[in-house]
Amino acid sequence: EAQVTQNPRYLITVTGKKLTVTCSQNMNHEYMSWYRQDPGLGLRQIYYSMNVEVTDKGDVPEGYKVSRKEKRNFPLILESPSPNQTSLYFCASGSFRDTEAFFGQGTRLTVV
Amino acid sequence: KNEVEQSPQNLTAQEGEFITINCSYSVGISALHWLQQHPGGGIVSLFMLSSGKKKHGRLIATINIQEKHSSLHITASHPRDSAVYICAVRPFMVVNKFYFGSGTKLNVKP
Repeated sequence: EAQVTQNPRYLITVTGKKLTVTCSQNMNHEYMSWYRQDPGLGLRQIYYSMNVEVTDKGDVPEGYKVSRKEKRNFPLILESPSPNQTSLYFCASGSFRDTEAFFGQGTRLTVV
Repeated sequence: KNEVEQSPQNLTAQEGEFITINCSYSVGISALHWLQQHPGGGIVSLFMLSSGKKKHGRLIATINIQEKHSSLHITASHPRDSAVYICAVRPFMVVNKFYFGSGTKLNVKP
């Protein structure tokens, strides 16, 4: 089954404690992206990747890092989380050959 | 500036009613997606459209490329349809992002 898998689904952490949210897709998609969703602001792109070892900033990259060492995985790293990073995070993947897109189930992060 | 506008923002319906959610966009696109987000948070892609009309069960999605407009219809609505519906467009020649609408929160009452 084609899917994008995020882990964890829920996470509560403390300010400054490094964390990683994983994202994996099984469709051999070139494109992967991270979004955060906040009330009143909708979905905003954090980082994206066009292929292995190719990443770039989206609209709200501050405080986040990503890596794309393998095609299937695109982890989101918060080196020093702060309360303003409390949000619902989504990973998405897609192919350049067609316009299909798949979204993960979301990760609800709370930073206290 | 919002590249994608959705209406209405909130919609309450009685079970069985026919529902329409509208999406207008201002950029050239290669595809438009209708997404569904249930209270649990996960996003599911309902439809991907580049032209015409698609139907899946009680859901119908249409797109008019010339008018830059799409509609999502739900026939015989049911309480389990209660969710947030989001319109997302993939801009033409821009492969690295989507533009999202702000979503329509639908509540179907029994």
